[in-house]
Amino acid sequence: QVQLQEAGPGLVKPSETLSLTCAVSGASLNSATYYWNWIRQPPGKGLEWIGFFYFSGGPRYNSSLASRVTISADMSQNHFSLKLTAVTPADTAVYYCAREEVGRAFDSWGQGTLVTVSS
Amino acid sequence: SYVLTQAPSVSVAPGKTARITCVGDNIGTYSVHWYQQRPGQAPVLVIYYDSARPSGIPERLSGSNSGNMATLTISRVEAGDEADYYCQVWDSSSYHWVFGGGTKLTVL
Repeated sequence: QVQLQEAGPGLVKPSETLSLTCAVSGASLNSATYYWNWIRQPPGKGLEWIGFFYFSGGPRYNSSLASRVTISADMSQNHFSLKLTAVTPADTAVYYCAREEVGRAFDSWGQGTLVTVSS
Repeated sequence: SYVLTQAPSVSVAPGKTARITCVGDNIGTYSVHWYQQRPGQAPVLVIYYDSARPSGIPERLSGSNSGNMATLTISRVEAGDEADYYCQVWDSSSYHWVFGGGTKLTVL
């Protein structure tokens, strides 16, 4: 059974870079069967898709964040990462990683990690 | 970009039927997925491809999609169904995943 676990700092200063990793067990990042996604949820608000990494096609980003986002993967560690530059308090959110079977939906999610942007 | 609209809240008495809608332009031509998110927890997939249920999801939850509206129906509502529900589609024109704004289901 696949498991995903987010990790990273819970507090980031404005204008700095938010960096998170998602450790995956029970599935391989270098499978052509899955996309590996990041999603965020500001406190009290809805879900926003950030982007995904796909072994057979590389990353794809939400156009509203594309200028600040990088999603990459470390196959040797079987984890994938999110970097979001030049953060502001509007980037405060719970960040989730999730697996998507190609052509289907997000069938497995991490527990989420709260990142607060504040000085 | 494609927009999905959900009512902010729906209330229903226990044992009754709740219908949560997701409105989008010609949404019937998209595959719609639904997620349940209980307070403080990660979302859980409850319906995919409009009406398919993942293993472990009770038959009380069902989905439909036609025209400009997709619907998640929860029959014989229980207290444990109280949660936020989100619809989702893949917008192939922008190559984006799109979520609806979410509907809070309250069990009276």
